[in-house]
Amino acid sequence: NAGVTQTPKFQVLKTGQSMTLQCAQDMNHNSMYWYRQDPGMGLRLIYYSASEGTTDKGEVPNGYNVSRLNKREFSLRLESAAPSQTSVYFCASSEAGGRGAQPQHFGDGTRLSIL
Amino acid sequence: SQKIEQNSEALNIQEGKTATLTCNYTNYSPAYLQWYRQDPGRGPVFLLLIRENEKEKRKERLKVTFDTTLKQSLFHITASQPADSATYLCALDTGFQKLVFGTGTRLLVSP
Repeated sequence: NAGVTQTPKFQVLKTGQSMTLQCAQDMNHNSMYWYRQDPGMGLRLIYYSASEGTTDKGEVPNGYNVSRLNKREFSLRLESAAPSQTSVYFCASSEAGGRGAQPQHFGDGTRLSIL
Repeated sequence: SQKIEQNSEALNIQEGKTATLTCNYTNYSPAYLQWYRQDPGRGPVFLLLIRENEKEKRKERLKVTFDTTLKQSLFHITASQPADSATYLCALDTGFQKLVFGTGTRLLVSP
């Protein structure tokens, strides 16, 4: 099993460009998440999807959109990239379960630089 | 405001000793607390989950305690090995199937 797969692994964009980060999981999990990780800030939740067909904002949603394409795939889109969005982006998935009772499984991240 | 604190300074210990990492929180009432390991260039990997009504949880050389009165969790690695060197993250549930992560503590185990 691959677990959680993120593409691309690295990307450099110019300010104003758009791009979509892809995430797919093969564990039949209902819930999926997008985080960004910055030095000294820890992991911060951008958006999450509790189940197929639903998405909700996390702590830092501004400048991002998401699509839960199906149960396996959850994409993150930057419509007009800004230097402040330079970060490492992680996708995660988990079983559905009340509160924080389920472990999250992470991909290895997309390292995004915006010039 | 809500806050999760992990020691931002790296913890350096010698092989064979017990490493103890601390996670303190304020203005949360988590029902669950999780610990993750993160290696450079990789995503976090789940290690242990402890519930609010559990004082202690063990898994092999790992032990986690959860004191809801002190609002603190301690993460112990006994008989530490250089391969245990990594950053360790604590995460609290927020009541909505979401987690909030601490910034992590880097552990360095020297031979």
